[in-house]
Amino acid sequence: AQTVTQSQPEMSVQEAETVTLSCTYDTSENNYYLFWYKQPPSRQMILVIRQEAYKQQNATENRFSVNFQKAAKSFSLKISDSQLGDTAMYFCAFTGGTSYGKLTFGQGTILTVHP
Amino acid sequence: NAGVTQTPKFQVLKTGQSMTLQCAQDMNHNSMYWYRQDPGMGLRLIYYSASEGTTDKGEVPNGYNVSRLNKREFSLRLESAAPSQTSVYFCASSEEGGLAGTDTQYFGPGTRLTVL
Repeated sequence: AQTVTQSQPEMSVQEAETVTLSCTYDTSENNYYLFWYKQPPSRQMILVIRQEAYKQQNATENRFSVNFQKAAKSFSLKISDSQLGDTAMYFCAFTGGTSYGKLTFGQGTILTVHP
Repeated sequence: NAGVTQTPKFQVLKTGQSMTLQCAQDMNHNSMYWYRQDPGMGLRLIYYSASEGTTDKGEVPNGYNVSRLNKREFSLRLESAAPSQTSVYFCASSEEGGLAGTDTQYFGPGTRLTVL
């Protein structure tokens, strides 16, 4: 079974600065996908970024980028130029192998952006 | 284009009562999912439906049943609610899940359920 671990329950950052959220996972699969989802106080789950394991290039999406280290099974999210609207719970998620299509989530990291 | 919709948004039940959570998507997606979110535990998969007419258990199926009514709708039923089922429930859909590969899941706004 796959597991996803987010070791930072809470993080905070000043507006306009950069913050990195950590995620590690455990799997024996070679082909899989990783995701970061954002959950603001509205509770809506919003996809931030996704990474295919077979791609060596790190995914980027505007101010959001990942550092994907396949050998280390690490998948961190970097948020540049943090904005107040980035305040949310962030979840790392995994799907792959026989679990394709079904997401396994980490415990989440609460990010607070301070003005 | 509403995406994924869920009803109700909030619900309070007494132990032993039954209820059905409704979910619908208008994106013509094949796969649909039900998750529950508990504090400190992230989201956990209850049931999923890879395609119309099929359903399968996820990580925490006990105490729940599902129906894939048609391609658009996927309902979750609690036959005899228990306090341990107090949670926030999310429905999600994706274009093609399962062995066909994976793609992005789109989530509904959630239902906050309290069982007294």
